[in-house]
Formats: sequence, C-alpha cells, structure tokens
Amino acid sequence: DAGVTQSPTHLIKTRGQQVTLRCSPKSGHDTVSWYQQALGQGPQFIFQYYEEEERQRGNFPDRFSGHQFPNYSSELNVNALLLGDSALYLCASSLGQGTGNTIYFGEGSWLTVV
Amino acid sequence: QKEVEQNSGPLSVPEGAIASLNCTYSDRVSQSFFWYRQYSGKSPELIMSIYSNGDKEDGRFTAQLNKASQYVSLLIRDSQPSDSATYLCAVGTPPTDSWGKLQFGAGTQVVVTP
Repeated sequence: DAGVTQSPTHLIKTRGQQVTLRCSPKSGHDTVSWYQQALGQGPQFIFQYYEEEERQRGNFPDRFSGHQFPNYSSELNVNALLLGDSALYLCASSLGQGTGNTIYFGEGSWLTVV
Repeated sequence: QKEVEQNSGPLSVPEGAIASLNCTYSDRVSQSFFWYRQYSGKSPELIMSIYSNGDKEDGRFTAQLNKASQYVSLLIRDSQPSDSATYLCAVGTPPTDSWGKLQFGAGTQVVVTP
C-alpha cells in the first residue's frame, strides 16, 4: 500500500525564485492538504485540495498556490521566495470530507532559501 | 493565546518509566484529537487519535481526553530509547477539520535515557 509520496526531498533556492513541490496521496485517498513546518514549530496549514479545487486556505499569502490533478496528485507552488520560506513542506492526504478525518503525512520536502 | 499548547520540554524519562505529555486547546467545539510522533529530520507519524472523553489505549500508548477541561494527554508506558522524539498534539475543529485543517502544538521533545 503506497503511502504519501513527495518530491523533491531536499532543495535549495535563491531569494526571489519560484519553487514547485509535488505530492501523490496515499492509495485510495482523494484529498490533499499542505502544511509548512518551520524549525522548532508545529506544522501550519497552508491549504487543502479536493475535487481539483482549493477548499480552504490558512493564513498564507498569495505567493503560495497549488493545484490538484484528476489523479488526485497535487503541486504546491511558492513564488518570490523569501528567506522565511525555508521550512519542511508536508503533504497530507485523507479520504473525502468529514469531521474527524485522519490525515497522513508524506516524508516532506526540505526547502532552503538562501 | 496559542490555540494548542504543549510544554516544549525536553522531557527526560528513564528507560522503562512512564512518559506523560500534556496538551491544552482553546476552542471548546474541537472534536478530534491526534498525537503524532516526529523523529528529528523526519515527518510526523500518527500514533493515536481520540474523539470521546476518557482513555484510549493502543499498545504502550494511552491517550486521555477531557473536553470539559480542554485537555488531552498521552502516556507512554515502559519508555524505550526509540521513543525519543518530538510529540505533536493536533486538534481538529469543525467545520474546518473536514477540510483537512488541524491545529498543531509546537511539540514536546522526549528524551529516554538508558
């Protein structure tokens, strides 16, 4: 049973550049959420995609955008990178919509902005 | 006021002893509660979920929930060196939890000493 897979695992970008991170949900899951985890902090919700639409967004600027494809995989795009965007980016998948859904994280993508 | 609060630690626990981790949350309508374990440099891994007041046991782990006090805890019995990690408390609050949004605490670092 394939878990949540993310790519790339590590990357280094320069301030002002753009980055795209990719995620494939756990087999059978159709919903993808993205989280940002800064060093020493808990994960912070960025947004969630279901049925190829952004359903909810956390407190992140428009520089953060995403997409979900018909096969449920998803991309996170960050434009005009800032030093403060350096973090572990986590993709989480779940099945459908409903209170109390359990989310499962991928291994994450470590982004360093220099 | 932070929505989900945990003691940052580190919590030092002798091998074989019980580790007790605490978490408080601010929103009275929160309905779902999760404990994730995160090893250094890795992504969070789900340990336990709890939705009703009382205790829930799974192997060496016991989650306790008291909604009146807005308090959830995790007990780790017979602590092993492999339990050394950061433990994240996560809370789901309707309706946003149906969109995959969980509020995380900053985590408690546990160090099990031989």
